[in-house]
Amino acid sequence: AQTVTQSQPEMSVQEAETVTLSCTYDTSESNYYLFWYKQPPSRQMILVIRQEAYKQQNATENRFSVNFQKAAKSFSLKISDSQLGDTAMYFCALGNYQLIWGAGTKLIIKP
Amino acid sequence: GAGVSQSPRYKVAKRGQDVALRCDPISGHVSLFWYQQALGQGPEFLTYFQNEAQLDKSGLPSDRFFAERPEGSVSTLKIQRTQQEDSAVYLCASSRDRGPPYEQYFGPGTRLTVT
Repeated sequence: AQTVTQSQPEMSVQEAETVTLSCTYDTSESNYYLFWYKQPPSRQMILVIRQEAYKQQNATENRFSVNFQKAAKSFSLKISDSQLGDTAMYFCALGNYQLIWGAGTKLIIKP
Repeated sequence: GAGVSQSPRYKVAKRGQDVALRCDPISGHVSLFWYQQALGQGPEFLTYFQNEAQLDKSGLPSDRFFAERPEGSVSTLKIQRTQQEDSAVYLCASSRDRGPPYEQYFGPGTRLTVT
């Protein structure tokens, strides 16, 4: 069975700081995708970043980057220069079409 | 284009009632997904359609749950004889992809409360 674990239920940082959210997973698949989604309060789920397991290079999207350690089955999200609008639940997800989701990390950016 | 829309946004049902939740995907998106998200949890996969074909319904929790997408566009998730444990947010997502990585675009969800 595939599992996704997010061990940080809640985190808070000051605006403009860098924050890293952790995610570990388990799968027996050889090829898979990993995703970070953001769910702002009372708003819909938005894709933040995606990583193909067969790619060694870590994905980056503007202020968002991942540290993908395939052997350790770790997929952390780094948010640089955090902004108030980054306040949201962040979910790590694994899979192809059937996504397996972690329980989420509530991230609060303080002014 | 508009994003994924879902209706109703909120639904209160008495235990034992039947409910129908609607999803309008992004125009042209061939893949459609339903998820159930309990309070404080991540979503859980329910079912997947490619066009009108339901390719995977392994996540449907019981035979009270039924989903359809008859014309390959709008989808309806129906729950018969609702139970309190069905209370959750039901999320719909669509994707233009027919294969991985299935970049999924989500709707705002329908919050179902069963009393």
